[in-house]
Amino acid sequence: GNSVTQMEGPVTLSEEAFLTINCTYTATGYPSLFWYVQYPGEGLQLLLKATKADDKGSNKGFEATYRKETTSFHLEKGSVQVSDSAVYFCALGPRVKGYSTLTFGKGTMLLVSP
Amino acid sequence: NAGVTQTPKFQVLKTGQSMTLQCAQDMNHEYMSWYRQDPGMGLRLIHYSVGAGITDQGEVPNGYNVSRSTTEDFPLRLLSAAPSQTSVYFCASSTPGQNEKLFFGSGTQLSVL
Repeated sequence: GNSVTQMEGPVTLSEEAFLTINCTYTATGYPSLFWYVQYPGEGLQLLLKATKADDKGSNKGFEATYRKETTSFHLEKGSVQVSDSAVYFCALGPRVKGYSTLTFGKGTMLLVSP
Repeated sequence: NAGVTQTPKFQVLKTGQSMTLQCAQDMNHEYMSWYRQDPGMGLRLIHYSVGAGITDQGEVPNGYNVSRSTTEDFPLRLLSAAPSQTSVYFCASSTPGQNEKLFFGSGTQLSVL
């Protein structure tokens, strides 16, 4: 079955540091890959996505590249801000018509200090 | 611009009590779903619906019931609460054309004593 493995947190960084959060997956077929972010006290929201191999998703300075050969979708940001402190979830979903369920990783907490 | 609204935000129950978590969306989304979030477990799908009158089970459906009488509402019922149901519950909605882009409510934190 499908599964997503994320690095454990918390990841603690100083403002303007470089961020990498690792994500690897196991899936049948060719899934789409996503990063969701959860700010304190809120629900998750889609941060970025990639739908096929070598695609790069990007949003708000965050990037992730769909690497089929390494089954990875690592999240990166060149210079983090305090406001980026949140929990980040990697997820995958099959590319099918109609409803499909997402498989989420366990989440990685990011704490950014001034 | 409400989006997905969940009520209540917090709830404490005693073992054996029943309650309903409410979820409403005003975006005319066909798909709605319920997740629970537990520490170290990520999000797990409880039930989902692809339209009014249609529901199906997710990964962890036991102990929960749902119904979908309207497009807007998707309540989650706990028939006889157990301590194992202590969790944060999220409702989400999406559209058929972009069903992977989930819009989440702000969650209900439930404690069962």
